[in-house]
Amino acid sequence: GQQLNQSPQSMFIQEGEDVSMNCTSSSIFNTWLWYKQDPGEGPVLLIALYKAGELTSNGRLTAQFGITRKDSFLNISASIPSDVGIYFCAGTNNAGNMLTFGGGTRLMVKP
Amino acid sequence: EAQVTQNPRYLITVTGKKLTVTCSQNMNHEYMSWYRQDPGLGLRQIYYSMNVEVTDKGDVPEGYKVSRKEKRNFPLILESPSPNQTSLYFCASSTMTLAYNEQFFGPGTRLTVL
Repeated sequence: GQQLNQSPQSMFIQEGEDVSMNCTSSSIFNTWLWYKQDPGEGPVLLIALYKAGELTSNGRLTAQFGITRKDSFLNISASIPSDVGIYFCAGTNNAGNMLTFGGGTRLMVKP
Repeated sequence: EAQVTQNPRYLITVTGKKLTVTCSQNMNHEYMSWYRQDPGLGLRQIYYSMNVEVTDKGDVPEGYKVSRKEKRNFPLILESPSPNQTSLYFCASSTMTLAYNEQFFGPGTRLTVL
């Protein structure tokens, strides 16, 4: 199946710093999604991107759908301790019936 | 409260002993799906269902079965579990009217096969 390469695998940052993570693929995706998973819970959707080149914000989070439709990035500004968790990118196929996930970025924030 | 529920949350079993993990949603969603999560691999789709009596294979369906007899339920069946099926399993649901198929995830079931 399709694969998403997500980087970095983990990040340990100081509270207040900005964070950037990205996903790349050899295949085209019709939509890109960014999820966050807190310990012991299922993933929760943060941002959804529908069009190539689209830039969308949700509070301190900003994500972009790459022009080639093969990549996306997520930025978090002014990180806080509750940002700790695993962040996943995901892409949907043409039919929208299958979701492919990246390997995740584990974010740790030092107060 | 709108939610996806899974049972059990934790399960330890032995190789070859059939088991079922239940999934139920109360949002009247058409679409339901099962994923497994393994370190470094993210979530991989096992099976999905776009409506009652309609199921399709995801990326890693081997060793699993599903059924969709009712809209709200989507059980995952392991007929003969093996140790390589030790994993964290998530059920998810969504309405197909959304273009991006926002999926709501359950809390997860941690399965250990000895």
